[in-house]
This record gives sequence, structure tokens and C-alpha cells, in this order.
Amino acid sequence: QQPVQSPQAVILREGEDAVINCSSSKALYSVHWYRQKHGEAPVFLMILLKGGEQKGHDKISASFNEKKQQSSLYLTASQLSYSGTYFCGTTTPPGMTTDSWGKLQFGAGTQVVVTP
Amino acid sequence: DAMVIQNPRYQVTQFGKPVTLSCSQTLNHNVMYWYQQKSSQAPKLLFHYYDKDFNNEADTPDNFQSRRPNTSFCFLDIRSPGLGDAAMYLCATSRGISDTQYFGPGTRLTVL
Repeated sequence: QQPVQSPQAVILREGEDAVINCSSSKALYSVHWYRQKHGEAPVFLMILLKGGEQKGHDKISASFNEKKQQSSLYLTASQLSYSGTYFCGTTTPPGMTTDSWGKLQFGAGTQVVVTP
Repeated sequence: DAMVIQNPRYQVTQFGKPVTLSCSQTLNHNVMYWYQQKSSQAPKLLFHYYDKDFNNEADTPDNFQSRRPNTSFCFLDIRSPGLGDAAMYLCATSRGISDTQYFGPGTRLTVL
């Protein structure tokens, strides 16, 4: 089942902050974040494996709340290069169902536009 | 540099004319995936290989087939492309199931 991302789109001025949320109705094993620019392949940003884990990549960071089955991606002091569509991908724990184990279920994406 | 390579980057075919897309990797990863991505949508998993074990998604049309002759290469065959199959096709690899997936640049398929 596809995780739910919000918001669908966000427009930022350079230097502003934004938060993208990803939530699931199922228990989560891991959350993966990707950024995709128009016409290009998704680029891996980070993976979160444990509840409560937080990671950072430059000024982009993320948290994973296992109990709430959700993750948030934080864009801090946004740069023009941050523009693109951000996807979260989630996996379910082993033993949940053999069909879904390990497979990434992507959210619908959040389009981020950073303007000068 | 270790990477995922897809060829061709752009493919134009005619309605019903078979087409093959290729993916190769130098990462020596065990798992290779094929995704279909239509405009403004999330990538949709078609199938994946764990080594030689093939796993088909339940909703992947029979029109789509895949081959993995060795660790490095994986092919996507579309036997009779329809207009609805026009999309970006993404190949990805990972060391193991649920590990980070690394995507190739994609092949954009146009069906005339």
C-alpha cells in the first residue's frame, strides 16, 4: 500500500525551510528518501532504518517515527538546487507478508520549487 | 565509477513492435529491479531479480518480460507495446532486498 506524502507541492524562496511528510498505514521497516529532477532518474538521499533515527545530508535531514509510522524530510535554508520531486519509499518488516518484504512502496511525490 | 547504465536512453517504437531495453551494473549487486514511471507519478515496480530468482508483481501485464543472463545485465522485453506503455523505464539495483536502491538514468520509451 502506497505511503501518503504531504504536501503535494511547495514553493519556497531561497533560504526558506520546508517539511515533507510521509506516513503509512502499515508498520514500517525502513524509509528511503529520493529526489528526482525533471527527466532524470531518482537520486538517493538517505535511508532511515530505526525508529527515532535521524540523518542529514548537507542541509537536508530526515527523521523516522516508527511508532507513528511516519517520516519527515526537512529542507533547511533551501537552495535552488533543492528543486525537484521528492519521493519517500517505505518497506515493511520481514514476516509481514512475503509479497511485500523488502519492496519499496513509493509515495506519490512532493514537488518542490525553490525560487531566487 | 561503479554505476547503473541503461541503454538506450531514448527509444521510439511502433505500436505492436517488440522492443528490448537493457540495464547493466558494475556494483555487483544481487538485486535488480525494473520500474515504470509515467509523467508526474511515482515509479511503479514491474519485477525484480534476486540473483536468478525472478519476482513478478501481480499487476504487471504479461506483455512485459524480463531476462537476467548474468549478475551484471538485466533486460526488459515489451512484446507488443501499446500507446499506454509509453513511459520512463527505470532500472535499479541494490545489494540486498530492502537495501538502498541505486537507479540508472532511465530509458524514455515513445510508442507511435
